[in-house]
Amino acid sequence: KAGVTQTPRYLIKTRGQQVTLSCSPISGHRSVSWYQQTPGQGLQFLFEYFSETQRNKGNFPGRFSGRQFSNSRSEMNVSTLELGDSALYLCASSLSRSTYEQYFGPGTRLTVT
Amino acid sequence: QKEVEQNSGPLSVPEGAIASLNCTYSDRGSQSFFWYRQYSGKSPELIMSIYSNGDKEDGRFTAQLNKASQYVSLLIRDSQPSDSATYLCAVLDTGRRALTFGSGTRLQVQP
Repeated sequence: KAGVTQTPRYLIKTRGQQVTLSCSPISGHRSVSWYQQTPGQGLQFLFEYFSETQRNKGNFPGRFSGRQFSNSRSEMNVSTLELGDSALYLCASSLSRSTYEQYFGPGTRLTVT
Repeated sequence: QKEVEQNSGPLSVPEGAIASLNCTYSDRGSQSFFWYRQYSGKSPELIMSIYSNGDKEDGRFTAQLNKASQYVSLLIRDSQPSDSATYLCAVLDTGRRALTFGSGTRLQVQP
């Protein structure tokens, strides 16, 4: 069974631009969570989607948003990019909201210049 | 603020030895605990989950949970150089379905 896939794998953007990242969960998995990983803050929870609805959100500004489609694929968007948004963005999928194991994709490395 | 604490290391062990990685957490109500392995430049890989007090074994890996002491550990038997990585302890906030991660312990297995 294929794992979680994320595209693109690498991105370079300029301050003020916006970016959209994509995530396809493991086949049959319906819950998708997003995390940000930086050297200074480690891994931090951004949000969780299930049944096309955002169920939970971490402590990030409104510039960070996302959505989920009917096939469980998810996108996250960051508007008005700041230098501090440079990070590895990780998508994790789990089978349902009643299963707790989360499996991570390879991540998208975003660099903001 | 729910916290997960790990010693950042590096923890250096010789090949064939047992590596012991430890983690403490602040939320006494936590029920679900995970160990992830992350190689440099890669994403975290789930290696163990544990939900009940006691030991859970999977191959060379044993996870240990003590909820009364708010302590989780991971033992790696017969450590191999390929086990050299950062090991992340994660605790699930069941209400938010959000994993809270420790900062990770870097393990170095010396050949």
